[in-house]
Amino acid sequence: EIVLAQSPGTLSLSPGERATLSCRASETVINFYLAWYQQKPGQAPRLLIYGASNRATGVPDRFSGSGSGTDFSLTISRLEPEDFAVYYCQQYGGSPLTFGGGTKVEIK
Amino acid sequence: QVQLVESGGGVVQPGRSLRLSCAASGFTLSTYAVHWVRQTPGKGLAWLGVISSDGGNKYYADSVRGRFTISRDNSKNTVFLQLNSLRAEDTAMYYCARDLSWDWYFDLWGRGTLVTVSS
Repeated sequence: EIVLAQSPGTLSLSPGERATLSCRASETVINFYLAWYQQKPGQAPRLLIYGASNRATGVPDRFSGSGSGTDFSLTISRLEPEDFAVYYCQQYGGSPLTFGGGTKVEIK
Repeated sequence: QVQLVESGGGVVQPGRSLRLSCAASGFTLSTYAVHWVRQTPGKGLAWLGVISSDGGNKYYADSVRGRFTISRDNSKNTVFLQLNSLRAEDTAMYYCARDLSWDWYFDLWGRGTLVTVSS
């Protein structure tokens, strides 16, 4: 099973700042099969990125994903008030599917 | 409105069964594979299993294989998760999520239904 470690656990930033979230896999994630989701309290998770760097439909271009192999990142170029949430990575290159433990982006 | 809505959660005693439903609105669910994922504060998100669009293929996580069963009724635009022999550690929020092309990532999730296993 591929274990995904997300860091940091919590990121305290102000609106307008840049956020960089990390997702490190215990073994290589094949074919860039890495997705990112955003979850707000009481809401369903929302797909942001698939294939490591492809934005899902309707996702603003301030969100970008990068990486390969075992190291991936999600960058939010300028935080908007609605971006404060928990972010999860998920790999779908190996069975079973696995998720990271999440990074909470909170208002500083 | 395009959405998935889970239902059927509640409080159940250990060893009992429960059936969860995942109903689609605003789109035809029969076009999609559907996955089930659960979330707990302690263990985070965990994938449980998937059913293909026609119901012909199903895969499960080792942790629930043999106890949980996924099925679907495309005429009702609904997918089901049967939970048997429930244990305290099955207490979680249960989500269904759709998968457009058998890619095994999820472009739409429901809001979840809470299952609490307690005597």
